[in-house]
Amino acid sequence: SQTIHQWPATLVQPVGSPLSLECTVEGTSNPNLYWYRQAAGRGLQLLFYSVGIGQISSEVPQNLSASRPQDRQFILSSKKLLLSDSGFYLCAWRQNYNSPLHFGNGTRLTVT
Amino acid sequence: GNSVTQMEGPVTLSEEAFLTINCTYTATGYPSLFWYVQYPGEGLQLLLKATKADDKGSNKGFEATYRKETTSFHLEKGSVQVSDSAVYFCALTHSSASKIIFGSGTRLSIRP
Repeated sequence: SQTIHQWPATLVQPVGSPLSLECTVEGTSNPNLYWYRQAAGRGLQLLFYSVGIGQISSEVPQNLSASRPQDRQFILSSKKLLLSDSGFYLCAWRQNYNSPLHFGNGTRLTVT
Repeated sequence: GNSVTQMEGPVTLSEEAFLTINCTYTATGYPSLFWYVQYPGEGLQLLLKATKADDKGSNKGFEATYRKETTSFHLEKGSVQVSDSAVYFCALTHSSASKIIFGSGTRLSIRP
């Protein structure tokens, strides 16, 4: 069966520090991968998605970036965090456009 | 473009009450429709889905019917429990679209 791993679960970082969040999927190949952010009490904001290795689509211009160095690995990064980057970050995957998304457990990021 | 509109929350009910959370959509063609549930501090979990008109998705006592004539996918449960307290998201995907469209979420609180 397929599983998705996302880490770390929680992170507290100072303003201006770098960020790296990792997500891996097991038990499938060539998944579509997604990064979402959820501000407190708010809905989901799509940040990036990828339909293949090295293919990244950005939804919102900001100081975050994403990379897909391997088929089942998706990384969210920042060179310098802002206070406004605080939130709950969710990685998700699906097999194709008709499939539902499957989410990781999320990373709670607090920028201080 | 494609969009999802769901009722604003929060919704507060007493245990064993009947639940309806409204969801309507705008899409060309025949999208697939989903309900997701998010418990506090966790990622989203797929609750149920329907892939064509008149399909009924069901899980854990929840049901939703894909109504193409009214472009709706309302979530219902006959008797809610305290453990159903969570945020519920309606979503759609299309075979030609790389992204899933989510509603803004409805927070449900059940009183004992």
